[in-house]
Amino acid sequence: GAVVSQHPSWVICKSGTSVKIECRSLDFQATTMFWYRQFPKQSLMLMATSNEGSKATYEQGVEKDKFLINHASLTLSTLTVTSAHPEDSSFYICSATVQHNEQFFGPGTRLTVL
Amino acid sequence: SQELEQSPQSLIVQEGKNLTINCTSSKTLYGLYWYKQKYGEGLIFLMMLQKGGEEKSHEKITAKLDEKKQQSSLHITASQPSHAGTYLCGATNAGGTSYGKLTFGQGTILTVHP
Repeated sequence: GAVVSQHPSWVICKSGTSVKIECRSLDFQATTMFWYRQFPKQSLMLMATSNEGSKATYEQGVEKDKFLINHASLTLSTLTVTSAHPEDSSFYICSATVQHNEQFFGPGTRLTVL
Repeated sequence: SQELEQSPQSLIVQEGKNLTINCTSSKTLYGLYWYKQKYGEGLIFLMMLQKGGEEKSHEKITAKLDEKKQQSSLHITASQPSHAGTYLCGATNAGGTSYGKLTFGQGTILTVHP
């Protein structure tokens, strides 16, 4: 099946710094990538929808200036958490899809902000 | 927005027992997905259902979607410790700006005792 990778798998950073997370579709071209956030013992919450070559669409309550999304190619989307704070600590998961069929999920990135 | 309610929230069974997890939607489902997640890891796709009355099986796991397309169940036969994890149902809407987005239930934590 289709494989989606994320890098890094975990990151620890100081408060106020920015962190970039990459999401790659390894063996297929993804028309759309989605970014989710998952807090401990909670379900996944969609943050934004990313289409190659266009601006991301953010869900209500998600700050677009804080969570910058760039979808430079059909195989790569990046999420940058700017000026991270401890409350941004979470598990970030991306998914990739072709023509809105099955979504393939990455392994996730655990972000800890000190 | 669409809401998904999963039940039970957690389940502890003895190895070899059968179990069922339910997922109920407040709206008619367009696509219903079942995923499994191990703690701190990404989502593993299990099955997707789209048609009312549809039923799919893979190994010892069977998923069904009711005729009204508002309720789905996931049934595991003769459970094994390897089935342990969190099971998530996710649903997509038919169109509009929500097209392709997945909304998730809160998850069901399954523990299987050997």
